Amino acid sequence: DTAVSQTPKYLVTQMGNDKSIKCEQNLGHDTMYWYKQDSKKFLKIMFSYNNKELIINETVPNRFSPKSPDKAHLNLHINSLELGDSAVYFCATRGADYSPLHFGNGTRLTVT
Amino acid sequence: GNSVTQMEGPVTLSEEAFLTINCTYTATGYPSLFWYVQYPGEGLQLLLKATKADDKGSNKGFEATYRKETTSFHLEKGSVQVSDSAVYFCALSDVGDDKIIFGKGTRLHILP
Repeated sequence: DTAVSQTPKYLVTQMGNDKSIKCEQNLGHDTMYWYKQDSKKFLKIMFSYNNKELIINETVPNRFSPKSPDKAHLNLHINSLELGDSAVYFCATRGADYSPLHFGNGTRLTVT
Repeated sequence: GNSVTQMEGPVTLSEEAFLTINCTYTATGYPSLFWYVQYPGEGLQLLLKATKADDKGSNKGFEATYRKETTSFHLEKGSVQVSDSAVYFCALSDVGDDKIIFGKGTRLHILP
């Protein structure tokens, strides 16, 4: 039973399209995150939600919009995809303060 | 602001060699420190953690000691195996901060 699951695992699409990535967790954690990992493996935080409320919003283009319909889900919608959006996107969750992150297995997005 | 600096990779070692991956940090408070490992095609997994000065985190033969005086959290293993080949990330979480800051990652190759 996967703790943090993301779908799809792979996403190949053309520039200008709109796509969504879904994340679901069964850990009962209050906080969920989206991270972007580039081709050099550098991890950059994008967003964080706590109990469906947005608490971290880094300098991410407005084309990226997270949505948290409930505490167990955090989806990422991307409008007007660009070549530079190609990366691996990771969902992660966290319980109490100082506890470690639990990551999903990532969604590899390729924009052509 | 808070930051994590870890040694550039890739690091290539022979099986049974001694491993050190350096990590230093800057933080305004008293952070918790983590090492995560990412195997190919997977998300990050917590390897070990330390929450206060002089704590030693350990797991799977890996160790790291929280050194406040040198602001370091170096990862060590006495005898590496081929299966340890992965990307290793040092990270910190500061008091009252939902953001976990990651280093740039160090790719480790172990040769049989």
